[in-house]
Amino acid sequence: KQEVTQIPAALSVPEGENLVLNCSFTDSAIYNLQWFRQDPGKGLTSLLLIQSSQREQTSGRLNASLDKSSGRSTLYIAASQPGDSATYLCAVYGSGNTGKLIFGQGTTLQVKP
Amino acid sequence: ETGVTQTPRHLVMGMTNKKSLKCEQHLGHNAMYWYKQSAKKPLELMFVYNFKEQTENNSVPSRFSPECPNSSHLFLHLHTLQPEDSALYLCASSHRGTGNTIYFGEGSWLTVV
Repeated sequence: KQEVTQIPAALSVPEGENLVLNCSFTDSAIYNLQWFRQDPGKGLTSLLLIQSSQREQTSGRLNASLDKSSGRSTLYIAASQPGDSATYLCAVYGSGNTGKLIFGQGTTLQVKP
Repeated sequence: ETGVTQTPRHLVMGMTNKKSLKCEQHLGHNAMYWYKQSAKKPLELMFVYNFKEQTENNSVPSRFSPECPNSSHLFLHLHTLQPEDSALYLCASSHRGTGNTIYFGEGSWLTVV
């Protein structure tokens, strides 16, 4: 059974700092991995989707990497801003064609001005 | 605005009530999903519909009854719920198949009293 773990559960950094969020999964036979952002009381916003054949994806100040063999993904946020404060969720697509996502519990990030 | 609209945003219902959550997507997708987000727990998949057909039921109690009349609309009918069913219910959609970005709505906050 696939399990997704995100460390740390919470993180507080000063504005301008570069930071890394970690995601690990127990079954390396994943199809793809997706990072989401969730603001308090809101739904999820997709940040980056990494296909199983890719090793990384970049969007603006965000860079996500994927190492299937070690069961790990990282989300790198450069030059953090207070507006980056949110919960970041990692999710993996399991085997098969169901589109079923398995989520981690998230990392809650606070960027202080 | 993600293209996935959920109503109502907030719902309070008694344990003997019958209510429904509605989801509509304007993205031309053919797969729709219900996810549940409880406090302190990872997001968990409830149901998957592909081309209006249910393809996954993640052992959800029968007091939750989904309905998908067409590829753009998805309902979750609620009946005789328990207080522990209080949670954020998120609808999502995507193109069918693993590896396509999934888009979430803002969610419906449900409180069962």
